[in-house]
Amino acid sequence: EDQVTQSPEALRLQEGESSSLNCSYTVSGLRGLFWYRQDPGKGPEFLFTLYSAGEEKEKERLKATLTKKESFLHITAPKPEDSATYLCAVQSYNQAGTALIFGKGTTLSVSS
Amino acid sequence: NAGVTQTPKFRILKIGQSMTLQCAQDMNHNYMYWYRQDPGMGLKLIYYSVGAGITDKGEVPNGYNVSRSTTEDFPLRLELAAPSQTSVYFCASRDRVSTNEKLFFGSGTQLSVL
Repeated sequence: EDQVTQSPEALRLQEGESSSLNCSYTVSGLRGLFWYRQDPGKGPEFLFTLYSAGEEKEKERLKATLTKKESFLHITAPKPEDSATYLCAVQSYNQAGTALIFGKGTTLSVSS
Repeated sequence: NAGVTQTPKFRILKIGQSMTLQCAQDMNHNYMYWYRQDPGMGLKLIYYSVGAGITDKGEVPNGYNVSRSTTEDFPLRLELAAPSQTSVYFCASRDRVSTNEKLFFGSGTQLSVL
């Protein structure tokens, strides 16, 4: 069974304090790994897609990396506006409708 | 270009009532999905559609029905609402031919069944 586990569940940082979020996955044939950001009361917003081990993507203060078993979302010098829930999802070749399987998310709070 | 539009944003139902959650997209996407999100849980797939006239069950389909008569619309029907269906519902879509296959999400419908 395809599964996604995110850790930690919640993370509190001071502004400028860099850290990483973890996404561990088991999937029968990875088609892609996705990172989304979700603000309270809103739908998830796409950040990155990673397809193969060793791949990296960057956007402003965020950098996503991928290995064969996990992905990391590195946040460098975060600002309060980075506060949100970050969702990790995988897409497998065996998943009907190529739907995404989501983890429970990591809620990040950045204080000034 | 509105993207994915969901209505209503909030709804309170009594046990046993029925309702339809509306979802429309204006991006000419073939693939559409319905997810539910419970507090502290990941998004769970209810139903999906790969094109007009084609729908199939996801992980948690019991108590729901869908239809896809047009490319644009993908309504979700709740029959005989139960408290276990209290959740936030998200509709999403993506293009069949896409370089990164990302999903576009609506802003959600918060449903309470009392």
